[in-house]
Amino acid sequence: GDSVTQMEGPVTLSEEAFLTINCTYTATGYPSLFWYVQYPGEGLQLLLKATKADDKGSNKGFEATYRKETTSFHLEKGSVQVSDSAVYFCALSVPSGGSNYKLTFGKGTLLTVNP
Amino acid sequence: NAGVTQTPKFRILKIGQSMTLQCTQDMNHNYMYWYRQDPGMGLKLIYYSVGAGITDKGEVPNGYNVSRSTTEDFPLRLELAAPSQTSVYFCASSNNGGGRGTDTQYFGPGTRLTVL
Repeated sequence: GDSVTQMEGPVTLSEEAFLTINCTYTATGYPSLFWYVQYPGEGLQLLLKATKADDKGSNKGFEATYRKETTSFHLEKGSVQVSDSAVYFCALSVPSGGSNYKLTFGKGTLLTVNP
Repeated sequence: NAGVTQTPKFRILKIGQSMTLQCTQDMNHNYMYWYRQDPGMGLKLIYYSVGAGITDKGEVPNGYNVSRSTTEDFPLRLELAAPSQTSVYFCASSNNGGGRGTDTQYFGPGTRLTVL
C-alpha cells in the first residue's frame, strides 16, 4: 500500500548548519507530497508542498523537490535557526474512494537546533 | 478566524469511562478529520467526514464514533475508554476541492488524553 519512510531522528544541529531530512514514498498513481511541521505543544501546520513531478515547494527557507524517478521528497534548509526546532512530517495524499483523498504520514523527525 | 479549535486540551479518564472530544472549524471547510498521534508513530487517521451527515472510517476506527450534523462541528466519541486509547488527538479540516488531493489540511492544537 501507500507509505512514507522518513529519516529516523532525532537530528541535532548547531545554528547555521545545513539541514537535510530524507523522505521516500511508495504510492500508486501520482500523489501530492507535503512537509508538515509541529512546533512544541502545537498542532501540525503545512510547511510546503509539491503537486507534480519536478515541482519544488519552498517556504521559510526550506525547500523540497518532488523526484518521481527516485520517489523522494527530501527537505533541505541552508542555515537552520534555533526557532526551527520542531518535529517534521513528510506526507503524501492518496485517493480514499471516489474523489476523496487522505494523507498518509511518515513517523516524523525531531530536529533540535542548538545556539 | 480562529481556525480549528479543540476542547479539552487535556483529560484523564478511568478505564470504561466515556467522553467526547470537541472540534470546531470556522473556515467553512467541507472535509474534517480525526487523527491520533502516538510517540514515534506519526499520525493515524481515525475517522473523516466529507460533509455534514457523511462520515467514514479511517485506519484505526475501533473504539471511536463520530457524527457530523453541521459543517462546523465534528465531535469524536469514546464510549468505553481503554489504556490503548491514551494518545494525543488532532482534528483537522480542508477544502479538498477539485478531487486532486492537493489541498492543505489545517490542524487544531490537539487534546492529550490519558486513560488509567
